[in-house]
Amino acid sequence: DAKTTQPTSMDCAEGRAANLPCNHSTISGNEYVYWYRQIHSQGPQYIIHGLKNNETNEMASLIITEDRKSSTLILPHATLRDTAVYYCIVANFGNEKLTFGTGTRLTIIP
Amino acid sequence: GAVVSQHPSRVICKSGTSVKIECRSLDFQATTMFWYRQFPKQSLMLMATSNEGSKATYEQGVEKDKFLINHASLTLSTLTVTSAHPEDSSFYICSARDPAGALEAQHFGDGTRLSIL
Repeated sequence: DAKTTQPTSMDCAEGRAANLPCNHSTISGNEYVYWYRQIHSQGPQYIIHGLKNNETNEMASLIITEDRKSSTLILPHATLRDTAVYYCIVANFGNEKLTFGTGTRLTIIP
Repeated sequence: GAVVSQHPSRVICKSGTSVKIECRSLDFQATTMFWYRQFPKQSLMLMATSNEGSKATYEQGVEKDKFLINHASLTLSTLTVTSAHPEDSSFYICSARDPAGALEAQHFGDGTRLSIL
């Protein structure tokens, strides 16, 4: 699976949009971009995934660049409960083996 | 949505004890489950892939005789840490994917915090 690079940490004011970047320059054509988050002392929670089109669900939006070498997860109106470590993972669709990097520690500030 | 349950959530035991952790898929059948380990301030590391009705597949460096995995049914996988020592203290997390689900993603349990004294 392709490797991803994320900033170690980010802060965002409560109520503002949180934009979390991820670089995956070695992504291959059949690999998807998955985002999970882990709140302290809990298991990871699925957020969203995409192949090349932008995606949106009730939790977040995923913007993937045209060359697919990077993506951005957007939490439109961040709340304190969004404080977590966010993992960007690249994997084949149906590939059940997920490789977690170090992720981005997002802190929402009141 | 799909739910994965882990039990116990926390266990504290003496060195040399064997500890069993259960992972259940509550509303779907999972032919494959995954076991991860997470040390403090580190990311999740895949330990093994648990396959229903067959032997587990272990990642490089994970001792299969130390971490016994049994996946006897489509909804239950167990991880037994045998003769646990303080260095085995960690956060153990399981996951499973619902192959019949519309959402192509893994669902994770809430983890088991293991502390060996």
